[in-house]
Amino acid sequence: EADIYQTPRYLVIGTGKKITLECSQTMGHDKMYWYQQDPGMELHLIHYSYGVNSTEKGDLSSESTVSRIRTEHFPLTLESARPSHTSQYLCASSDYRGHTEAFFGQGTRLTVV
Amino acid sequence: AQKITQTQPGMFVQEKEAVTLDCTYDTSDPSYGLFWYKQPSSGEMIFLIYQGSYDQQNATEGRYSLNFQKARKSANLVISASQLGDSAMYFCAMREGGNFNKFYFGSGTKLNVKP
Repeated sequence: EADIYQTPRYLVIGTGKKITLECSQTMGHDKMYWYQQDPGMELHLIHYSYGVNSTEKGDLSSESTVSRIRTEHFPLTLESARPSHTSQYLCASSDYRGHTEAFFGQGTRLTVV
Repeated sequence: AQKITQTQPGMFVQEKEAVTLDCTYDTSDPSYGLFWYKQPSSGEMIFLIYQGSYDQQNATEGRYSLNFQKARKSANLVISASQLGDSAMYFCAMREGGNFNKFYFGSGTKLNVKP
């Protein structure tokens, strides 16, 4: 069983609010990822991290920001939520070896009203 | 160019029959890994099977097998003896040796298993 956790699972929030989606893993993985996914659609990489104090933007432009102050923690923040941010956000982690899979959290379903 | 292509948006299969989900990939890196994930309607991503570019044998995990054709750059997932619980989205993914930092995902295939 993967040891990667996301909170909250579901979030309904008003436009203009600041939100932080939490992601933590206990596997000691260096690499962590945030994906955005609309229902039944493909995953889009929006942020990733090689390790502590390293973050990179992914292939899909996002207004969100991330930080990586501790190995186990990779939160995603939206300063001002908008309805266009409504989506599922999936956090994942992996170790440095190329033949190992990414472990995913259960996701946060965000609805901005 | 798309790194991973899944050309079947939706598939139907009869319960207990086998089904093949297609995946082609694009890379110039000789070292890479290919992965398949299952995503039920609940939304979590479940790892199914892995194939390395240097692996001589096709990967198998229970009812899942990967039909790896390196020259054609295809990595199709075969599910044998389909079950109703196999109904889900299936994603193919790749990790390149020169850039183990990223996983590239395809657009997915929605599999429906009919009783």
